[in-house]
Amino acid sequence: KQEVTQIPAALSVPEGENLVLNCSFTDSAIYNLQWFRQDPGKGLTSLLLIQSSQREQTSGRLNASLDKSSGRSTLYIAASQPGDSATYLCAVSPFGNEKLTFGTGTRLTIIP
Amino acid sequence: GAVVSQHPSWVICKSGTSVKIECRSLDFQATTMFWYRQFPKQSLMLMATSNEGSKATYEQGVEKDKFLINHASLTLSTLTVTSAHPEDSSFYICSARGGSGRTDETQYFGPGTRLLVL
Repeated sequence: KQEVTQIPAALSVPEGENLVLNCSFTDSAIYNLQWFRQDPGKGLTSLLLIQSSQREQTSGRLNASLDKSSGRSTLYIAASQPGDSATYLCAVSPFGNEKLTFGTGTRLTIIP
Repeated sequence: GAVVSQHPSWVICKSGTSVKIECRSLDFQATTMFWYRQFPKQSLMLMATSNEGSKATYEQGVEKDKFLINHASLTLSTLTVTSAHPEDSSFYICSARGGSGRTDETQYFGPGTRLLVL
């Protein structure tokens, strides 16, 4: 059974700093990995999707990497802003179906 | 594009009543919709997968007779929580995948429905 873990559970950093969020998964046989953002009491916004054959994806100040063999992904946020404050979730899907297994999330607070 | 809506956003009901939650894809046809549940400070847990015109597939431990899912059209899926009890209080989120059939397409998530059963 796939298990996805995110460390740390919560993170506070001053505005302007670069930061890294971590995601690990136990079964490396994944089809893709996604990073989502969830604001309090809201749904999810997809940030980046990495196919299993890819090593990284970039969108603006966000860069996500994937090391499938070691079961790890990182989300790098450059020049953090208060608007980046949210919970960040990673999720993996296996081959053959679309079921997403979500991590426990990292609650990020950017301090102005 | 790729907007998914949910209605209602909030619902408070008495124990024993049934609650229906709607999930709509507004600008695309969704052959597959997913229903998730999220308890406070926990991650999303998939409840069921529904394909238009067929019966939903439920995850292990999810009671299909309690959580009725209907995916009657390519733009609408409904989740009915029957005889709701306080332990059903949660945040219910749906997602929808586009209709091309490709499994590498991302899922688009609705804004969620918060259910409180008194």
